[in-house]
Amino acid sequence: GAVVSQHPSRVICKSGTSVKIECRSLDFQATTMFWYRQFPKQSLMLMATSNEGSKATYEQGVEKDKFLINHASLTLSTLTVTSAHPEDSSFYICSAMGQGAGAQYFGPGTRLLVL
Amino acid sequence: GDSVTQMEGPVTLSEEAFLTINCTYTATGYPSLFWYVQYPGEGLQLLLKATKADDKGSNKGFEATYRKETTSFHLEKGSVQVSDSAVYFCALGHSGGYQKVTFGTGTKLQVIP
Repeated sequence: GAVVSQHPSRVICKSGTSVKIECRSLDFQATTMFWYRQFPKQSLMLMATSNEGSKATYEQGVEKDKFLINHASLTLSTLTVTSAHPEDSSFYICSAMGQGAGAQYFGPGTRLLVL
Repeated sequence: GDSVTQMEGPVTLSEEAFLTINCTYTATGYPSLFWYVQYPGEGLQLLLKATKADDKGSNKGFEATYRKETTSFHLEKGSVQVSDSAVYFCALGHSGGYQKVTFGTGTKLQVIP
């Protein structure tokens, strides 16, 4: 149980385009989903927290207009990187947590490369 | 605020050696404690957890005991394998409602044959 998927696993795009990453909880309802960014050989940096049906809460320093998060249902959250630039290239990881679960369950990550 | 401190890596061990990765924390209230593992090129997987003091989490031969008196949650394994090579993250969170999980910086383990 507690499986989280992400799609795509890898994406290459041109500078200036937008990229959408999906995060799905496959066998449980995720009341809360989290989006992280991980730079090479570093820990995870929390970008934002989203609850189903509510606006996401962004961490300090994360541009909400650049990283659009939608949590439209209890099993799906999307992160859209708008007008991507090479410095947005990174490993993006989502996680999901059910009601009162305590632990977060992570997706396999999406590697974004912006040329 | 909450924080997690774990030992610097990388840690290099020979196969079948004993593993300890230290983790200490500061937190308000009574957090849950976790160890996550990240294999190369993959996301994080929950390895084990403990939700209250003196609880022992265990999985795949790994163990960690929630020590409130020393605010520690050290990860141990009696005999490591090459397949255990990964990055290990200690983390804490609060159950009930939603709250973000605070991660340590990760410790890379490399096991050589």
